[in-house]
Amino acid sequence: SQTIHQWPATLVQPVGSPLSLECTVEGTSNPNLYWYRQAAGRGLQLLFYSVGIGQISSEVPQNLSASRPQDRQFILSSKKLLLSDSGFYLCAWSVIQGAQPQHFGDGTRLSIL
Amino acid sequence: QKEVEQNSGPLSVPEGAIASLNCTYSDRGSQSFFWYRQYSGKSPELIMSIYSNGDKEDGRFTAQLNKASQYVSLLIRDSQPSDSATYLCAVNGITGGGNKLTFGTGTQLKVEL
Repeated sequence: SQTIHQWPATLVQPVGSPLSLECTVEGTSNPNLYWYRQAAGRGLQLLFYSVGIGQISSEVPQNLSASRPQDRQFILSSKKLLLSDSGFYLCAWSVIQGAQPQHFGDGTRLSIL
Repeated sequence: QKEVEQNSGPLSVPEGAIASLNCTYSDRGSQSFFWYRQYSGKSPELIMSIYSNGDKEDGRFTAQLNKASQYVSLLIRDSQPSDSATYLCAVNGITGGGNKLTFGTGTQLKVEL
């Protein structure tokens, strides 16, 4: 069966510090991968998605970036965090064939001080 | 105009009652529809998928889809306190298609003893 791992579970970072969140998927090949952010009491905002190694689509302008160095690895990064980057970050995967659901990791709760 | 709209609630129902959650969407070309359950502080969990008009039942859950009216609903029979969570409606096919999902902001359900 497929599993998705996301770490760390919680993170407290000062403003201006760098960020690296990692997500890996097991039990499937060539998945679509997604990064979402959920602000407190708000809906899910799609940040990035990837249909293959090195292929990244950005959904919203921001100071975050994403990379997919391996088929089942997805990384979310920032060079300098802003206060507004606080939130619950979720990685998700889906099969590459269309119209299928996404499956989420446990998430990372990021607090910026 | 929101693309996927849900009543934010909270929707309060007594234990044992039927909870009815509704969702409307704007894109007539949408092809697949999902309900996720999200407990406080946790990541979304897929509970139902529906692709064609009509009803789909899975245990205590029934999803209903009406593409002509552009709404999808979730019925929870014999509601339990453990069903208390936020329920997210997600639709595929909006904002460029592919396997991207557009999420509503969720309906908070409270099942009272």
